[in-house]
Amino acid sequence: QVQLVESGGGLVKPGGSLRLSCAASGFTFSDYYMSWIRQAPGKGLEWVSYISSSGSTIYYADSVKGRFTISRDNAKNSLYLQMNSLRAEDTAVYYCARELYGDHPFDYWGQGTLVTVSS
Amino acid sequence: EIVMTQSPATLSVSPGERATLSCRASQSVSSNLAWYQQKPGQAPRLLIYGASTRATGIPARFSGSGSGTEFTLTISSLQSEDFAVYYCQQYNNWPPLYTFGQGTKLEIK
Repeated sequence: QVQLVESGGGLVKPGGSLRLSCAASGFTFSDYYMSWIRQAPGKGLEWVSYISSSGSTIYYADSVKGRFTISRDNAKNSLYLQMNSLRAEDTAVYYCARELYGDHPFDYWGQGTLVTVSS
Repeated sequence: EIVMTQSPATLSVSPGERATLSCRASQSVSSNLAWYQQKPGQAPRLLIYGASTRATGIPARFSGSGSGTEFTLTISSLQSEDFAVYYCQQYNNWPPLYTFGQGTKLEIK
């Protein structure tokens, strides 16, 4: 069955860095577009970043552009999010999500990993 | 940026009754609209995409309708497991941006 498992969250000081990982299994990872989506405590969902199946096309939300970098390793069935210059407003649960094949809605989500930015 | 507005913010409905949730886009998104359900402590689950197509494994009591700027999610006969927060998401303004509504909390009356 499809599984997405995030890791790498934790407590970090403002201005610090963190790298999130998402391990995929149960499907051909290299066939699918992937995204990171976050949810601040008690708030709604915010799309963060997208990467195409080959990794050749990448997009970011304006709120993270220039600070976050998405990447993937299809040989390792893994998705990554390098987060630099972290701010308090980046505090959220970060989900990796798979796009529905041939379309854009997110059909599978991981359980999320919490990132807390605080001094 | 397309802004998605959901109403009401909270909806109180009794089990067995029908629930109707609304989502409005600030400009046309055609039929590129999805609905998700999120329960406390869980990741969102895809319910509907293409405004009206049920995702795999979603019960028939969930239905979606609308196009352009006005969309509706209807749950025909509420079960206890349906009480959750529901989000709409547009994927028409792509690339490079997906946007979600702020959510509707469906609670037991």
